[in-house]
Amino acid sequence: GESVGLHLPTLSVQEGDNSIINCAYSNSASDYFIWYKQESGKGPQFIIDIRSNMDKRQGQRVTVLLNKTVKHLSLQIAATQPGDSAVYFCAESITSGGSYIPTFGRGTSLIVHP
Amino acid sequence: ETGVTQTPRHLVMGMTNKKSLKCEQHLGHNAMYWYKQSAKKPLELMFVYSLEERVENNSVPSRFSPECPNSSHLFLHLHTLQPEDSALYLCASSPRGGLDTQYFGPGTRLTVL
Repeated sequence: GESVGLHLPTLSVQEGDNSIINCAYSNSASDYFIWYKQESGKGPQFIIDIRSNMDKRQGQRVTVLLNKTVKHLSLQIAATQPGDSAVYFCAESITSGGSYIPTFGRGTSLIVHP
Repeated sequence: ETGVTQTPRHLVMGMTNKKSLKCEQHLGHNAMYWYKQSAKKPLELMFVYSLEERVENNSVPSRFSPECPNSSHLFLHLHTLQPEDSALYLCASSPRGGLDTQYFGPGTRLTVL
């Protein structure tokens, strides 16, 4: 079956560094992608999304890159802060026909050292 | 706080018990969701309700039974669960059903003995 997976289960960085979290997806028909942040004891929180007609999208301190050729998605966090420590996971979905049923990645734990 | 509340936050039950999880939102959203998040698998969508009608079932075992009496409340009725059903059960809501506008609750940590 189709799956979304993350390359690295844990990423440790120093405060102020840039962080890059990767995600591979396998369904070439997916046209919508989301990154979520999940802090301990809380539900997932939407960070940023990107549609397949784009290859880059920027938010506040975050950038998502999409490479459809190799089915790869990445989340870049600039000037990482201790408050960024959380599990980050991606999701892919097919929005054609109005269905948004997502497939989620396993997650990467980001640890930011002060 | 996202505006989506879930009760209880923790639940321990035996395999022969019957229990219910509750989710509540007063955000005026029209769609509500149940997700399962276990330690060994990625987040999985279980059920979607849009305007109080079930839209997607996603092949969930019948021992999980959802109920959406109105647009603000969502229940997940549990009976004869298995230990492998132990997980964090997350509820979410969204205005129109889009993933980008989902607000998640904190989840119910379920342990099945």
